[in-house]
Amino acid sequence: KAGVTQTPRYLIKTRGQQVTLSCSPISGHRSVSWYQQTPGQGLQFLFEYFSETQRNKGNFPGRFSGRQFSNSRSEMNVSTLELGDSALYLCASSLRAGSGTRRGTDTQYFGPGTRLTVL
Amino acid sequence: GENVEQHPSTLSVQEGDSAVIKCTYSDSASNYFPWYKQELGKGPQLIIDIRSNVGEKKDQRIAVTLNKTAKHFSLHITETQPEDSAVYFCAASNEAGNQFYFGTGTSLTVIP
Repeated sequence: KAGVTQTPRYLIKTRGQQVTLSCSPISGHRSVSWYQQTPGQGLQFLFEYFSETQRNKGNFPGRFSGRQFSNSRSEMNVSTLELGDSALYLCASSLRAGSGTRRGTDTQYFGPGTRLTVL
Repeated sequence: GENVEQHPSTLSVQEGDSAVIKCTYSDSASNYFPWYKQELGKGPQLIIDIRSNVGEKKDQRIAVTLNKTAKHFSLHITETQPEDSAVYFCAASNEAGNQFYFGTGTSLTVIP
């Protein structure tokens, strides 16, 4: 079974531009989560999508947005890029999103990430 | 929300020795604890996980222990090899949502 794929792998943008990153989850997985990884802050949760709906959201400004398509593929968009947005953006897929009535938590499998550099 | 602390931040061991990485968590509702290994230029890869109804889990040279009362869990790697060199992350999650809280990572170096 193919793993999580992310495109592009590397991206260079300038301040003020916007960027769209793509993530294709493992076949059959319906939940996609996005993370930002930086040396100083570690892995920080951006948001999670399940069945085309945003289920959870981290503490990031509104410049960071995402969406999920009916085939579970997800995109995240960052508008008005800032130097501090330079990071490795990771997506992770799992079988389904958690819920208060469901026992256990599904394992998350990460993609290779998109390295974004903002100049 | 959940707070996960991970120690040490760096760890160097001689090949063949054991390595132990420890994490603590704050939310007693957390019930799932995965460990990830991240090599340079790659995304984190799941290496082992444990759920709160189990105290210990082992997979060849890797084991994880969980102490729910003390709210801490540890990764044990025995007979370390140079290819074990990487950054290791612990995480905690609960059934209230699918959000994972990650530790700050441990950079493990295995010296040949």
